[in-house]
Amino acid sequence: KAGVTQTPRYLIKTRGQQVTLSCSPISGHRSVSWYQQTPGQGLQFLFEYFSETQRNKGNFPGRFSGRQFSNSRSEMNVSTLELGDSALYLCASSQDREADTQYFGPGTRLTVL
Amino acid sequence: GQNIDQPTEMTATEGAIVQINCTYQTSGFNGLFWYQQHAGEAPTFLSYNVLDGLEEKGRFSSFLSRSKGYSYLLLKELQMKDSASYLCAVIRGYNKLIFGAGTRLAVHP
Repeated sequence: KAGVTQTPRYLIKTRGQQVTLSCSPISGHRSVSWYQQTPGQGLQFLFEYFSETQRNKGNFPGRFSGRQFSNSRSEMNVSTLELGDSALYLCASSQDREADTQYFGPGTRLTVL
Repeated sequence: GQNIDQPTEMTATEGAIVQINCTYQTSGFNGLFWYQQHAGEAPTFLSYNVLDGLEEKGRFSSFLSRSKGYSYLLLKELQMKDSASYLCAVIRGYNKLIFGAGTRLAVHP
């Protein structure tokens, strides 16, 4: 079974731009979670989607948003990029139970100049 | 509270045993995960504990005490490839993982 895939793998943007990242979960997984990883803050939860609905949200500003499609693929968007948004963005998928093992994709490395 | 504490760095010798501890605030606890992350790679799942006790999986074991807010990951017969960061994470609510800062383990010959 194929793992979680994320595109693109690397991205360079400038301040003020916006970016969209994509995540395809493991086949049959209906929950997709997004995390931001930085050297200073570690891994932080952004949000979680299940059946096209956001069920849980972390403490990030409204510039960070996401959505999920009917095939469980998910996208996250960051608008008005800031230098501090430079990070590794990880997507994880799991089955439909509330507390299930999450399997991570390879991540998208975003650099904001 | 969300505090999850684990040591920042540890070193060990190839072939030895190492125990990585993790403490957490017990409110809203739904389970505890351990992940391994090599530099530049994504975290990979190692273990999941929801009930008290020891879970053994090959060279890796994980222990949980819910009343004490305490877990440890035990790595036996250490190999050089075990040099990585080990992340303790508590799950709260719908698939919301709260991660500790991670423990960087260096295995020396």
